Amino acid sequence: KQEVTQIPAALSVPEGENLVLNCSFTDSAIYNLQWFRQDPGKGLTSLLLIQSSQREQTSGRLNASLDKSSGRSTLYIAASQPGDSATYLCANNAGNMLTFGGGTRLMVKP
Amino acid sequence: SAVISQKPSRDICQRGTSLTIQCQVDSQVTMMFWYRQQPGQSLTLIATANQGSEATYESGFVIDKFPISRPNLTFSTLTVSNMSPEDSSIYLCSVDPGGYNEQFFGPGTRLTVL
Repeated sequence: KQEVTQIPAALSVPEGENLVLNCSFTDSAIYNLQWFRQDPGKGLTSLLLIQSSQREQTSGRLNASLDKSSGRSTLYIAASQPGDSATYLCANNAGNMLTFGGGTRLMVKP
Repeated sequence: SAVISQKPSRDICQRGTSLTIQCQVDSQVTMMFWYRQQPGQSLTLIATANQGSEATYESGFVIDKFPISRPNLTFSTLTVSNMSPEDSSIYLCSVDPGGYNEQFFGPGTRLTVL
């Protein structure tokens, strides 16, 4: 059974820092990897999707990479802003079944 | 992408009652998914709902407790039956409109059971 781990569980940084969130999988059978953002008490916003044949995707200040051989994905956030404060979730999408990590709770302080 | 709405956005219910949550999508989709997010936890898939057939439930979830309807390609409902405080969670629906294995989520329904 696929298990997804995200570290750190929580992160607090000053505004302007570049930061990396990590996601690892127990099963190397990674299909499509999706990163989400969740604001407190809200639904999920899709940030980036890395298809199984791809290695990275970029959107604005966000860059996500996928290394299937090691079972790891990273989300890089450049020049962090207070508005980036949220919980970030990664999920392995295997045939439309998403397996989620526990999330990283990010706080960016002004 | 897809625009997804859920009703109600939140509710406070009494033990033993049932609540039906609605999910509406702005485009026709083959599959709709229902997830539960318990307090402080990540998301767990409850079931997959296809139009015209019975929903497929994940381990630990049963139809008697979480009956699902899928009357057409843009709408689904999830009922949480005979509720207990342990059912207090955020319930979310999602869809994959493009068939690219990228899912989009509704805003969620925050349920509190007293």
